[in-house]
Amino acid sequence: GENVEQHPSTLSVQEGDSAVIKCTYSDSASNYFPWYKQELGKRPQLIIDIRSNVGEKKDQRIAVTLNKTAKHFSLHITETQPEDSAVYFCAASEGGGNKLTFGTGTQLKVEL
Amino acid sequence: KAGVTQTPRYLIKTRGQQVTLSCSPISGHRSVSWYQQTPGQGLQFLFEYFSETQRNKGNFPGRFSGRQFSNSRSEMNVSTLELGDSALYLCASSLDSGAPGEQFFGPGTRLTVL
Repeated sequence: GENVEQHPSTLSVQEGDSAVIKCTYSDSASNYFPWYKQELGKRPQLIIDIRSNVGEKKDQRIAVTLNKTAKHFSLHITETQPEDSAVYFCAASEGGGNKLTFGTGTQLKVEL
Repeated sequence: KAGVTQTPRYLIKTRGQQVTLSCSPISGHRSVSWYQQTPGQGLQFLFEYFSETQRNKGNFPGRFSGRQFSNSRSEMNVSTLELGDSALYLCASSLDSGAPGEQFFGPGTRLTVL
């Protein structure tokens, strides 16, 4: 089955800096890669996703890149703000439904 | 449009008991997935139901089961509860247009097993 590794487990940045979170996956059949943000005590919410036929996707301050050959995908947050502080999860889906295999999460802390 | 709802929000049970959790998806969503979230194991996929059929299954023992009704509402059941079953159980619904897509999570049911 699919295995997703996520690094780093914690990340502390200064407000206005950029943050990068990296994930690797094992199953070359995976074709959908979402990123979820979970604030303390709240439900995970999708912030951006990318499909295997696209190499990069951007939405305002957030971007995701995918390298299918290396089986890597990364989340980039620019101009970080205190409200970006949360746990971020990457995930991969092998298709044939909506089964998501999640990474272990990254606790992002944006300091003033 | 109302979001995904889960009942109950909190539950306390003792070892050996069984529990049933309920999930109501967003109107029009036909896929419901269940996840277990713990500090140690993170978010782990339990199973997915689509059109009243289990479409995907994770690596959990047979004590964990689920079902989906004709209105897409879903329930999951855990029998013979163990201490390690204490977790936040999240369900997520998806429109399912033929390819994996955004899953909308419910608030979760916090299960504590004593």
